[in-house]
Amino acid sequence: DAGVIQSPRHEVTEMGQEVTLRCKPISGHNSLFWYRQTMMRGLELLIYFNNNVPIDDSGMPEDRFSAKMPNASFSTLKIQPSEPRDSAVYFCASSLTLSSGNTIYFGEGSWLTVV
Amino acid sequence: GENVEQHPSTLSVQEGDSAVIKCTYSDSASNYFPWYKQELGKGPQLIIDIRSNVGEKKDQRIAVTLNKTAKHFSLHITETQPEDSAVYFCAATSSGYSTLTFGKGTMLLVSP
Repeated sequence: DAGVIQSPRHEVTEMGQEVTLRCKPISGHNSLFWYRQTMMRGLELLIYFNNNVPIDDSGMPEDRFSAKMPNASFSTLKIQPSEPRDSAVYFCASSLTLSSGNTIYFGEGSWLTVV
Repeated sequence: GENVEQHPSTLSVQEGDSAVIKCTYSDSASNYFPWYKQELGKGPQLIIDIRSNVGEKKDQRIAVTLNKTAKHFSLHITETQPEDSAVYFCAATSSGYSTLTFGKGTMLLVSP
């Protein structure tokens, strides 16, 4: 079975450029999460969706970050404009529902470097 | 919100030894505690989880214990092997939803 699919796997971009990260959740999963991982802050929840609707975006660091889920099989995380401190690994994850105890499955991550 | 503390940050053991990683959480309402293993260049992968109505759970060489009164839970790996080397994360639910708050991770190194 296909897991959570993320693209691109690696991206190097210049400061000020727009970055778009993409995610395809596991088929049939209704909840989708975006996490960011850095050495200093560990794994941080940025935003999550249920049935394509954003539920909580309080983890989004700044207005430069935005996320959308136009349908059940696709989500994007956009950074505009990007800054060097945005360099991190961004993980997309999905679960069957939002109910506590549902396993959350992670993708392989998008490694972003902003120079 | 929920706060999860994890220690140690690094752990080195010899092959065949046991490894123990401990976590504490702050929200007494949390009821689900998974453990994830992350290998280099990959995403976190669930290895075992425990719910608040259970005190211990085992899966082959891996076990997790939960003390709800003290608000701490631990991962135990017995007969460690070099392929167990990875970063391990504990997590807890922060509300009735399945959103997870993660510990900072433990880098486990198993030497042959």
